[in-house]
Formats: sequence, C-alpha cells, structure tokens
Amino acid sequence: KQEVTQIPAALSVPEGENLVLNCSFTDSAIYNLQWFRQDPGKGLTSLLLIQSSQREQTSGRLNASLDKSSGRSTLYIAASQPGDSATYLCAVLSGGSYIPTFGRGTSLIVHP
Amino acid sequence: DAGITQSPRHKVTETGTPVTLRCHQTENHRYMYWYRQDPGHGLRLIHYSYGVKDTDKGEVSDGYSVSRSKTEDFLLTLESATSSQTSVYFCAISLGLAGETQYFGPGTRLLVL
Repeated sequence: KQEVTQIPAALSVPEGENLVLNCSFTDSAIYNLQWFRQDPGKGLTSLLLIQSSQREQTSGRLNASLDKSSGRSTLYIAASQPGDSATYLCAVLSGGSYIPTFGRGTSLIVHP
Repeated sequence: DAGITQSPRHKVTETGTPVTLRCHQTENHRYMYWYRQDPGHGLRLIHYSYGVKDTDKGEVSDGYSVSRSKTEDFLLTLESATSSQTSVYFCAISLGLAGETQYFGPGTRLLVL
C-alpha cells in the first residue's frame, strides 16, 4: 500500500527566504504526483502536477521536482511571501490505481 | 477557479439521520470525486464517478452511497449518520481519471451529534 509522508509537518520562516517542502512515497511505481495548497477553511488548489515521465515542473516562484527512484518530491518556493502561508499537500497516484494517496501536509507560516 | 459548488456548506445533524451532500460543477468534467478530510488522516477518497450512473468505491466507502444522474451533479448520501462521519467533505473534478489535475470544491463541514 502506498504511503506518503510530508516533512516537516510545520514550518515558520521569515519573508524572503527560499524554502523546500518534502514529500516522500514508498512505492516508486507512480503515475503522477500533484502538489496542492490549502488555505484555512478552504478547498485545495492545485499548484503543480508532475507526470511520472517528468523530472520537474515550474510555475512562477514554485518549482517541483520528482525523483521516482528515491521516492521523493520537493516543492521549492522562492522568495517566500506572507501570502504563501497555507498548508501544502502532495498527492501520489500509483500505477494501476485510481485512488490518490495524500500526505498530511506541511503547514507553512511566512512572517513579515 | 473551477466552477464547483457544494451544498450545504455547513450541517449539523443527529446520529441515525440520513444526510445528502451535493456537488455541482459547471465545467462538464467527466470525473467527480468525494473525499473526506480528518485530522491525523489527511484526505481520503470515499467514492468517485467516471460518468453518468457510473461510480466506484474509494478507500473509505463504508456507510456512504453516491449517485450521479447528470454530468454536473454528484450526490453523497450518509444513509444513517454516525459520529465517526463528522468531517469535512470535499468534492473534486477532473477531465481524466489519471494524469489530470484535480480541482476541488470549497468543502462541507458536517457535524454528527
């Protein structure tokens, strides 16, 4: 059974820092991996989707990388801003399954 | 934002009563999903649909049923609500079943007393 772990569970940084959020998964036979952002009391917003054949995806200040062999993905946020404060979740879709496995998220606070 | 609405947004009910949650989309996406989100468990898939009248079970489907009579509507029913079903319920849609971005609704907070 696929297991997805996100470390750290919580992170507090000053504005302007570059930061890395981690997502690890136990079964490397994945179809894709998706990063989401969730604001308090809100639904999830998709940030980046990486297919299994891709190594990375970029959107603005966000860059997500995927290393299937090591079972890891990282979300890099450049020049963090207070508006980046949210919970970030990753979800893995394993090969042969239509049921994504979500991590429990990293709660990020960027303080001015 | 993807055109997804959920109703009701908040509900308080008593144990043993039936509850129906509605998800409505204006995107004409084929696939629709119901998730629940709980502290300590993260998001878990309850049921999903791959077309009108076509549904399948997810990871935590016991105690839940779904129906999809129109492309735009996906209903989640708790036949007899229990306190363990207190949760935040999210609907999601996607163009494809795999390899496609999922778009989420705003959620429904359900409290079962």
